[in-house]
Amino acid sequence: SQQGEEDPQALSIQEGENATMNCSYKTSINNLQWYRQNSGRGLVHLILIRSNEREKHSGRLRVTLDTSKKSSSLLITASRAADTASYFCATEGSGAGGTSYGKLTFGQGTILTVHP
Amino acid sequence: NAGVTQTPKFQVLKTGQSMTLQCAQDMNHEYMSWYRQDPGMGLRLIHYSVGAGITDQGEVPNGYNVSRSTTEDFPLRLLSAAPSQTSVYFCASRDLGGPVYEQYFGPGTRLTVT
Repeated sequence: SQQGEEDPQALSIQEGENATMNCSYKTSINNLQWYRQNSGRGLVHLILIRSNEREKHSGRLRVTLDTSKKSSSLLITASRAADTASYFCATEGSGAGGTSYGKLTFGQGTILTVHP
Repeated sequence: NAGVTQTPKFQVLKTGQSMTLQCAQDMNHEYMSWYRQDPGMGLRLIHYSVGAGITDQGEVPNGYNVSRSTTEDFPLRLLSAAPSQTSVYFCASRDLGGPVYEQYFGPGTRLTVT
């Protein structure tokens, strides 16, 4: 079953506005990652946050993690038309004996449309 | 570096046919994996490998076989294609030895089974 649930499923904003996407997960994790997928293309890694971190920044991206609520959010500031894509959260579990090591469980994604 | 490459880009099969989706990476990554992406479902892990000669099942392995004879290649075999296997397939790789956790994805193979 899918580990992550993302909301909203779709988000439409104007250029220059901020976009916030949320992700929830069910089991303990080693880290949580965000990926972007442009239409018809492969996924590109954006940012990773470890289970012992609460917030991380990379350029216009800010990700937060609340392990007590099993949730994360991705904020894209000052959005651009080129940010139009699907965004996925993915968790790497912390299973016993390393059984989750390297295995990612994806959410269903948020489709972001940024209008010029 | 070419990164992760996949062939073919598109494929149409008839029910019952078999085929192999190819995946190769030139980054010397130990970890390789196959996902399928269906509308509204996100990506689901089919099989993965932590090194040559070592493979294991993911979340949705039925109907698929894999092998890993070299570090570079990780082919996915459909034994007898079914319409339920219509999907976009992505291969990914990752370095297990260092501190970098990100996975590198190929461009995908769009498969239609009629």
